[in-house]
Amino acid sequence: ETGVTQTPRHLVMGMTNKKSLKCEQHLGHNAMYWYKQSAKKPLELMFVYSLEERVENNSVPSRFSPECPNSSHLFLHLHTLQPEDSALYLCASSQAGRAPTDTQYFGPGTRLTVL
Amino acid sequence: AQKVTQAQTEISVVEKEDVTLDCVYETRDTTYYLFWYKQPPSGELVFLIRRNSFDEQNEISGRYSWNFQKSTSSFNFTITASQVVDSAVYFCALSEGITGNQFYFGTGTSLTVIP
Repeated sequence: ETGVTQTPRHLVMGMTNKKSLKCEQHLGHNAMYWYKQSAKKPLELMFVYSLEERVENNSVPSRFSPECPNSSHLFLHLHTLQPEDSALYLCASSQAGRAPTDTQYFGPGTRLTVL
Repeated sequence: AQKVTQAQTEISVVEKEDVTLDCVYETRDTTYYLFWYKQPPSGELVFLIRRNSFDEQNEISGRYSWNFQKSTSSFNFTITASQVVDSAVYFCALSEGITGNQFYFGTGTSLTVIP
């Protein structure tokens, strides 16, 4: 596998379910990101992990819980979601923390539908 | 206020026509980076180009070219002799500072190339 992979690619869940999204990067990067992409809106940065430590949390609801066990893996745990959380969730990675700012490389995303 | 503005929501062109996608950004930093990404229907954001604020040289890569003008805070993207495979949503993004982790994305321009 190369680049950034995400599983599952599609997920349908009820509001009471608990599920997790998985992201894996094979680029040797040290920073990983979760973005939410909703229709007609800019990509929203949800979480940033650099060197496995969370560096930014942009006031994301607590029903979204990230986990970064190592620099290659990133999870997004979901529970008690709302229909408005339906979106494409994109994972990205980069070699951050050094100059110049490195490019973020994205995975294919997980299309989440909350019923 | 939006840091990256892509005023064109949707554009349609006939194959072989040239098309320019506009991007206007806003920042007070003297060091920043600008990016273009392509998002085909599969969902993955594909990196196209990165430009730092100190390099105003225009760049050409095959049928793609970019025009960076600091005086107007614009970073426009032109596709020459468009092809059906160019149909996608294109995003412009801004990263501020020397080691900025946070990318600010525009809302994207959906390009349809009609055969």
